[in-house]
Amino acid sequence: GAGVSQSPSNKVTEKGKDVELRCDPISGHTALYWYRQSLGQGLEFLIYFQGNSAPDKSGLPSDRFSAERTGGSVSTLTIQRTQQEDSAVYLCASSLNGAMNTEAFFGQGTRLTVV
Amino acid sequence: QQQVKQSPQSLIVQKGGISIINCAYENTAFDYFPWYQQFPGKGPALLIAIRPDVSEKKEGRFTISFNKSAKQFSLHIMDSQPGDSATYFCAVPNTGTASKLTFGTGTRLQVTL
Repeated sequence: GAGVSQSPSNKVTEKGKDVELRCDPISGHTALYWYRQSLGQGLEFLIYFQGNSAPDKSGLPSDRFSAERTGGSVSTLTIQRTQQEDSAVYLCASSLNGAMNTEAFFGQGTRLTVV
Repeated sequence: QQQVKQSPQSLIVQKGGISIINCAYENTAFDYFPWYQQFPGKGPALLIAIRPDVSEKKEGRFTISFNKSAKQFSLHIMDSQPGDSATYFCAVPNTGTASKLTFGTGTRLQVTL
């Protein structure tokens, strides 16, 4: 596709349920990032994938959060046993070579609401 | 851990005026410092970025001014237009890597007619 695609656009889930958020990066982009944007806050780094290297998971807020990237393309962010504080917009971005600050493109985000 | 302070939180500017948004950071960083523009319901889009060894970068109506010694940088939007109404985020690269950014909390800009 032409840009980074995320699905679903919106997700409402009950507290305690698991959710999966999907990201389709721009074709050929080796780097993929997940960020979280809470209301009135800046973007918070979650995880970064670069090629076949081990992902940088240093931003994941708890062990309920995990992410994988299959075949160097599509990524899935999984949140287990969701809590109300997980409500946020989850943004995915991709870049050609890993320079987030000069060449990354963001998707439109998945708005997650935990009720 | 990098700390970034962005101000103001919101800004109202008349059409044709100059919009100025400021960011300050704590830890020295050596890679490009970007600004992002975000419209409602959309993801952020890279607007302009500056190298830390340059004091100013201009692209059209958008200018970044960078003060390395003070650890501050600002975005200036000249001749502001209603179409510029959006939320703007500054970001600072974490030390040693361009792959992880610390973002400011955002400035909501409204340009009135």
